Amino acid sequence: EPEVTQTPSHQVTQMGQEVILRCVPISNHLYFYWYRQILGQKVEFLVSFYNNEISEKSEIFDDQFSVERPDGSNFTLKIRSTKLEDSAMYFCASSAPGTSGRDEQFFGPGTRLTVL
Amino acid sequence: KNEVEQSPQNLTAQEGEFITINCSYSVGISALHWLQQHPGGGIVSLFMLSSGKKKHGRLIATINIQEKHSSLHITASHPRDSAVYICAAFPYPIQGAQKLVFGQGTRLTINP
Repeated sequence: EPEVTQTPSHQVTQMGQEVILRCVPISNHLYFYWYRQILGQKVEFLVSFYNNEISEKSEIFDDQFSVERPDGSNFTLKIRSTKLEDSAMYFCASSAPGTSGRDEQFFGPGTRLTVL
Repeated sequence: KNEVEQSPQNLTAQEGEFITINCSYSVGISALHWLQQHPGGGIVSLFMLSSGKKKHGRLIATINIQEKHSSLHITASHPRDSAVYICAAFPYPIQGAQKLVFGQGTRLTINP
């Protein structure tokens, strides 16, 4: 069964360093998402991506964040200069286009980011 | 104010019990996901529904869009059902890449 994959599973970095979180969505999906979950809190939307551009972003997704689909398979989230409060689990998700805009989203296993 | 609220936040039950987790939302939505999150953190989609009822094995999900309420039921609960159950809604307006708005989750523990 096709699945969304994410690498690495755990990333530890120093404050101020750049990190890139990688995702491989399901191959025929066209919509891509990043969500994050700070420990003990609910999952929050960061950004959605379609047709090589951002569809929507939350207020969390400031200038320190960027997303890219560098080739036909990868979808990346870059944090330019990490802060302690960026420590969280980051989930990638993808969905296929259906007859409406709301299609079942499939989640990757997550990347746990720890900023020291 | 949370747009999506779940109750209860924590639920402990004995194996075999019938479980109900509730989700209510304050915004207009087009559909709703029920998700399962295991201790390792991974999220699995259980259901996506916009009306009526869906059943998969021992899991049943219902939704009433007008009343802004959904429920997840587990029949004949088992310790392996222990997880965090999350409802997540698709708010209007509908657009191509449709974000989800999440509830805070219900931590379910089933004791043998």
